[in-house]
Amino acid sequence: DAKTTQPNSMESNEEEPVHLPCNHSTISGTDYIHWYRQLPSQGPEYVIHGLTSNVNNRMASLAIAEDRKSSTLILHRATLRDAAVYYCIPTQGGSEKLVFGKGTKLTVNP
Amino acid sequence: ETGVTQTPRHLVMGMTNKKSLKCEQHLGHNAMYWYKQSAKKPLELMFVYSLEERVENNSVPSRFSPECPNSSHLFLHLHTLQPEDSALYLCASSQDRGYGNQPQHFGDGTRLSIL
Repeated sequence: DAKTTQPNSMESNEEEPVHLPCNHSTISGTDYIHWYRQLPSQGPEYVIHGLTSNVNNRMASLAIAEDRKSSTLILHRATLRDAAVYYCIPTQGGSEKLVFGKGTKLTVNP
Repeated sequence: ETGVTQTPRHLVMGMTNKKSLKCEQHLGHNAMYWYKQSAKKPLELMFVYSLEERVENNSVPSRFSPECPNSSHLFLHLHTLQPEDSALYLCASSQDRGYGNQPQHFGDGTRLSIL
């Protein structure tokens, strides 16, 4: 399994963009990069995933470095509801297995 | 989102009791998963089912016994649990397994406390 490094915590202000970084230097060429988040007292929620190209959906954008050793989850306008623990998870090609680390706890200030 | 529903939300049981956790998904998915989230530890994958067959058991003690009677339902039968088994148990589903690029949809979990 690829090892990931994320900051333990980050803070943002409401309605400002947030960039959540993740290093995954041991990722293999067929590993997808997934992001999930977990709000208090809830199960994890899928946010976005990608392989090589940058990806956008209604929740967020995912910017993947050209060498794929790092990625950044971008929340374009943070809301209070975005306060959660965010997990960056590379998945082995051909495997559905999610290995959760400690993630980044995002605090959004009003 | 109510795609994956887990019951009960909270469960308190003694070490000699037998209970079951239930998970139901309404998404038409073929793969289902059990995870354990202990206090201050990352989520750990316990079991994987694909088309009602168990395809992965991550060295889980036999006091946890999963059952998947059909692709929409998943159970976790519990017996003779230990205090260290107190945790949040999460169920998830995905369209299929084995591709690495499919999102998993999680329920909100059952908070289990062992007395």
